Amino acid sequence: DVKVTQSSRYLVKRTGEKVFLECVQDMDHENMFWYRQDPGLGLRLIYFSYDVKMKEKGDIPEGYSVSREKKERFSLILESASTNQTSMYLCASIRGGSGANVLTFGAGSRLTVL
Amino acid sequence: QKEVEQDPGPLSVPEGAIVSLNCTYSNSAFQYFMWYRQYSRKGPELLMYTYSSGNKEDGRFTAQVDKSSKYISLFIRDSQPSDSATYLCAMLNTNAGKSTFGDGTTLTVKP
Repeated sequence: DVKVTQSSRYLVKRTGEKVFLECVQDMDHENMFWYRQDPGLGLRLIYFSYDVKMKEKGDIPEGYSVSREKKERFSLILESASTNQTSMYLCASIRGGSGANVLTFGAGSRLTVL
Repeated sequence: QKEVEQDPGPLSVPEGAIVSLNCTYSNSAFQYFMWYRQYSRKGPELLMYTYSSGNKEDGRFTAQVDKSSKYISLFIRDSQPSDSATYLCAMLNTNAGKSTFGDGTTLTVKP
């Protein structure tokens, strides 16, 4: 089974801190995604990546950046955390190519910014 | 207007009931239609997916797609307390390379 591992399940940070959220997948998937999930707003795509060193903005990229230096690892960076970035962050991966229609999600990282 | 609208819930039913979860969409380019289940404090996991209009059955679960009406449904028969979770519909346009999710419906099945 594909496994997507998010290194931190729960984080508490202060406003202005730099935050790194790490995600690793073990099935050689080309595509990786970062979502945030908020009550009443559903899953919103922040950034995604089709390949190493490639990144594409999703629907809500403001205040975030990403890094994909290795195929298996996709990092989400909050340069200066703010309280409105308190949320559940979900990483997902998917095989590239045609018919690649199923996302595999990590367990999520719940970030609280004070 | 959102591309994907999901019945908001929450939904509370007695054990054994038939549950219907529904989503509508506006983008005709969507090709794949998925249902994910998310238990509390966990990431979503794929429950079912379909490619074409019609029904797809897997045990107590049936996914239904009507492309002409841009409407999808998930039916759960003989619902169990273990079905209590948030259900997310999702749709994929392979040309865009990303899925669009509904907001989720939280289901509680009471014993």
